[in-house]
Amino acid sequence: DAGVIQSPRHEVTEMGQEVTLRCKPISGHNSLFWYRQTMMRGLELLIYFNNNVPIDDSGMPEDRFSAKMPNASFSTLKIQPSEPRDSAVYFCASSLIDEQYFGPGTRLTVT
Amino acid sequence: TQLLEQSPQFLSIQEGENLTVYCNSSSVFSSLQWYRQEPGEGPVLLVTVVTGGEVKKLKRLTFQFGDARKDSSLHITAAQPGDTGLYLCAGETGANNLFFGTGTRLTVIP
Repeated sequence: DAGVIQSPRHEVTEMGQEVTLRCKPISGHNSLFWYRQTMMRGLELLIYFNNNVPIDDSGMPEDRFSAKMPNASFSTLKIQPSEPRDSAVYFCASSLIDEQYFGPGTRLTVT
Repeated sequence: TQLLEQSPQFLSIQEGENLTVYCNSSSVFSSLQWYRQEPGEGPVLLVTVVTGGEVKKLKRLTFQFGDARKDSSLHITAAQPGDTGLYLCAGETGANNLFFGTGTRLTVIP
């Protein structure tokens, strides 16, 4: 199994630009999670989906952030417009029952 | 908001030494998970503890869940350089609701 796949692995963009992060969960998993990790705040849950439906988006910082899961094998996290404080590593994880499997993350730098 | 405090925040020890990492909260969790994260990678699950007072062993790693299910500890015996990484505890309050701790960054010096 290829595991959770995220792209891009690194993204550098200027403030105000739109950023789209992509995730392919492990085949057969029915839950997908987006996390953000920073030195200051640690690992924070942004949103999670169950069977492609958003269940809890209370961790999404503000309206500039949006996430979609159009099908069981693909999800996106979009930031529009991006700001320097959005700089972080963004992880996608998927699960079937309890254990969450994390992708390698996307390191986002907003200048 | 559930807050999971981990201590120490940073730990640097010599190969062969023993160490204990703590994860504390004022909240009760239905289960608690421990992850290890290496640079440039996502966290990887080490163990899940569910019952208050439960002890689980994974080779040189011993995990304990507090009786009241509010805290946990991770003990590593005879640490190896391969144990270096960021150790994260995560408490679960309900289905898919994981709250991650602040992390302990361990460095084992050969």
